[in-house]
Amino acid sequence: QPVLTQPPSSSASPGESARLTCTLPSDINVGSYSIYWYQQKPGSPPRFLLYYYSDSHRGQGSGVPSRFSGSKDASANTGILLISGLQSEDEADYYCMIWPSIGVFGTGTKVTVL
Amino acid sequence: QITLKESGPTLVKPTQTLTLTCTFSGFSLSTSAVSVAWIRQPPGKALEWLALNYWDDDKRYSPSLKSRLTITKDTSKNQVVLTMTNMDPVDTGTYYCAHSTEEDLFDVWGQGTLVTVSS
Repeated sequence: QPVLTQPPSSSASPGESARLTCTLPSDINVGSYSIYWYQQKPGSPPRFLLYYYSDSHRGQGSGVPSRFSGSKDASANTGILLISGLQSEDEADYYCMIWPSIGVFGTGTKVTVL
Repeated sequence: QITLKESGPTLVKPTQTLTLTCTFSGFSLSTSAVSVAWIRQPPGKALEWLALNYWDDDKRYSPSLKSRLTITKDTSKNQVVLTMTNMDPVDTGTYYCAHSTEEDLFDVWGQGTLVTVSS
């Protein structure tokens, strides 16, 4: 079963941007899949943020601010979540996921707002 | 408004079978492209997808747990049931059910239910 690799932690100051990565195994092409992103705060269920396949095929979760955006880096076989204008309320765990006919979650990144 | 709620035992003994029920409202599991999934999370660890039941009764399972899992739906009751056999302490964690459409996977989650496996 494939595993999506995410850095364990990331930190940035309020107002800065946080760039979270989700690296797919070499045998799975990031170009073939939508990358889904979820935010989870302590004691709460995950919240769907967005999915990104391409600039013309993407979706934002209900009520999710536009400062959360997705992209891909094909050269690195990686999905990217960019959080612009970081706020204290963005401090949480973030998980990526793909759906190659089954669900595959990433290892998660803990974002700390300094 | 879509809501989901998980229910089931909070404590099970090793080797027992776990049965969890997801009761939902705000959508029908007979509507095209709709599905309900189960996802779990051991304490302090990452999310793990378990199983999914589509509107047309197509089912998908985690390959590593497929032999232990069964997912079923009862459209008339607005419920999806997950059974997991031969429970082990490593199966301890919070179990979530989540709604999906064709494009938006796991867009609405239940609050989760904590299951502890211990003798």
